[in-house]
Amino acid sequence: DIVMTQSPDSLAVSLGERATINCRSSQSVLNSSSKKSSVAWYHQRPGQPPKLLIYWASTRESGVPDRFSGSGSGTDFTLTISSLQAEDVAVYYCQQYYSTPYTFGQGTKLEIK
Amino acid sequence: EVQLVESGGALVRPGGSLRLSCAASGFTFGSYWMHWVRQAPGTGLVWVSYINSPGTTTTYADSVKGRFTISRDNAQNTLYLQMNSLRAEDTAVYYCAREGMTLDYWGQGTLVTVSS
Repeated sequence: DIVMTQSPDSLAVSLGERATINCRSSQSVLNSSSKKSSVAWYHQRPGQPPKLLIYWASTRESGVPDRFSGSGSGTDFTLTISSLQAEDVAVYYCQQYYSTPYTFGQGTKLEIK
Repeated sequence: EVQLVESGGALVRPGGSLRLSCAASGFTFGSYWMHWVRQAPGTGLVWVSYINSPGTTTTYADSVKGRFTISRDNAQNTLYLQMNSLRAEDTAVYYCAREGMTLDYWGQGTLVTVSS
């Protein structure tokens, strides 16, 4: 199974400041045919299901604010929130969909400083 | 509007069985792979199983293989998860999710509690 490891486990950022969450896969998740990495980012607010933010490592899902961006390839990936808003408080998960089982990172809890 | 509504969660004793359902609407259900993902209280997301569009291919996490069965009824726009030989560690909120580019739509989840 591919292991997804996120860092940090928790993060406190001031409103309007940048938040960065990292994710590393235990093996490459680069899809050889599409030349894209099969990594997605979700956030989950308390009591809610996860919401897809980013797929193919850097493609923003429709309707997701442009302050969210994803980057990386191969085994190292980053989610960046350029200017933190109050509604961004949530747990953030990376996920690989390169192969089953579709594994998730352990989650990063993002709070307001 | 895409909607996924899970049902069937309950309190069940260890060794018992339960069948979860996920009613889909707002999209062509039979064209999409579907997944079950679970989340134990206070913990992270764990993928459980998927089924392809026609229902001919399924895959399971090792932790549920041989105990859980995923199926679908494309005529009724419904996804199922039959859970047998339930254990305490199966206690979780179970989400169904649609695979577009990846898991792009999720239901609100249904709680399964396995306890004596």
